[in-house]
Amino acid sequence: NAGVTQTPKFQVLKTGQSMTLQCAQDMNHEYMSWYRQDPGMGLRLIHYSVGAGITDQGEVPNGYNVSRSTTEDFPLRLLSAAPSQTSVYFCASSADRFPYEQYFGPGTRLTVT
Amino acid sequence: DAKTTQPTSMDCAEGRAANLPCNHSTISGNEYVYWYRQIHSQGPQYIIHGLKNNETNEMASLIITEDRKSSTLILPHATLRDTAVYYCIVRVDNAGNMLTFGGGTRLMVKP
Repeated sequence: NAGVTQTPKFQVLKTGQSMTLQCAQDMNHEYMSWYRQDPGMGLRLIHYSVGAGITDQGEVPNGYNVSRSTTEDFPLRLLSAAPSQTSVYFCASSADRFPYEQYFGPGTRLTVT
Repeated sequence: DAKTTQPTSMDCAEGRAANLPCNHSTISGNEYVYWYRQIHSQGPQYIIHGLKNNETNEMASLIITEDRKSSTLILPHATLRDTAVYYCIVRVDNAGNMLTFGGGTRLMVKP
């Protein structure tokens, strides 16, 4: 199993550009999440999904959109990039049962200039 | 979810036990204690979780006080590869895939 994969690993955007961060998992997990991590800080939840077709907002959803058309994929879209979105983005997945152990991807390091 | 308090950083000698404390004095009866760690630049990794009994797995032991207001994660024989940020998280059992991360403890294992 590849686990949770994320692409790209690194990305530089200009302010106002849009892009999609890709996340895929091959563990047949129903639950998937996106987090961002700013330097020296803990992770903050952006959006999450409890199954295909179902998404909800986390702690810091503004400026991001998500969709979940399949169990495997959970892309994160930046609508109009801003320097405040410079961060490392982690995708995670877990089974839909206790203890909901989350498996994290390797992260995407995004810089917005 | 209950708030947690952890020391910002700790050192440990290689081969010795690393004891990482966590205070969660406002924990509720249906909240579990979870520990994750994040090795430099990687995604966090689940370590262990518990409710009120002590727990042990191949990675670590979790000791929860009888009043459940604090806990300690124990790495019995720390190695250099255990150098990481360790996060103590308290959450209810039906919180699904939502985790609230604090600042964590930066553990430095030294030779």
